[in-house]
Amino acid sequence: GENVEQHPSTLSVQEGDSAVIKCTYSDSASNYFPWYKQELGKRPQLIIDIRSNVGEKKDQRIAVTLNKTAKHFSLHITETQPEDSAVYFCAASFGGGADGLTFGKGTHLIIQP
Amino acid sequence: NAGVTQTPKFQVLKTGQSMTLQCAQDMNHEYMSWYRQDPGMGLRLIHYSVGAGITDQGEVPNGYNVSRSTTEDFPLRLLSAAPSQTSVYFCASSYPQGLGTGELFFGEGSRLTVL
Repeated sequence: GENVEQHPSTLSVQEGDSAVIKCTYSDSASNYFPWYKQELGKRPQLIIDIRSNVGEKKDQRIAVTLNKTAKHFSLHITETQPEDSAVYFCAASFGGGADGLTFGKGTHLIIQP
Repeated sequence: NAGVTQTPKFQVLKTGQSMTLQCAQDMNHEYMSWYRQDPGMGLRLIHYSVGAGITDQGEVPNGYNVSRSTTEDFPLRLLSAAPSQTSVYFCASSYPQGLGTGELFFGEGSRLTVL
């Protein structure tokens, strides 16, 4: 089955700086790569996703890049703000949807004032 | 729309007891799933269903049963609770593959403690 590795497990950045979280996947057939944000005590929520026919996708301060050859994808957050503090999960699946999504272990992003 | 509703939000069990975590969604989603979340382990898939009458195992199915008699409901049963099943459980639903965006809609979670 699919295996998703996520790094780092904890990331502390100064407010206003950029943050980058990286994930690798094992199954070359995976073609859907979402990112979820989970605030403390809340449910995970989708913030951005990318499909294997696209190399990069951007939504305001958030961007995701995908390198199919190397089987890795990354989340980039620019101009970080206190409300960006949360746990972020990457995930991968085959089929283009949520079926059988495999999640990484999460990155705790801390925004220092 | 209420979205995905899970009950109970908190539960304490003794080893060997059984219980059912309820999950219901009102978005007419065909795909439903159960994840458990443990510190440092991320979200691990327990069981999932692609439609009424169809269920399948995920990464960590042992000790859990599911059934899907209707599109709306997907209960998770713990047959004989063990301390290793202490966790936060999330139910989630989505449109089928090829339809919608692929976004998983999560419930609020159920925190289970097994003594």
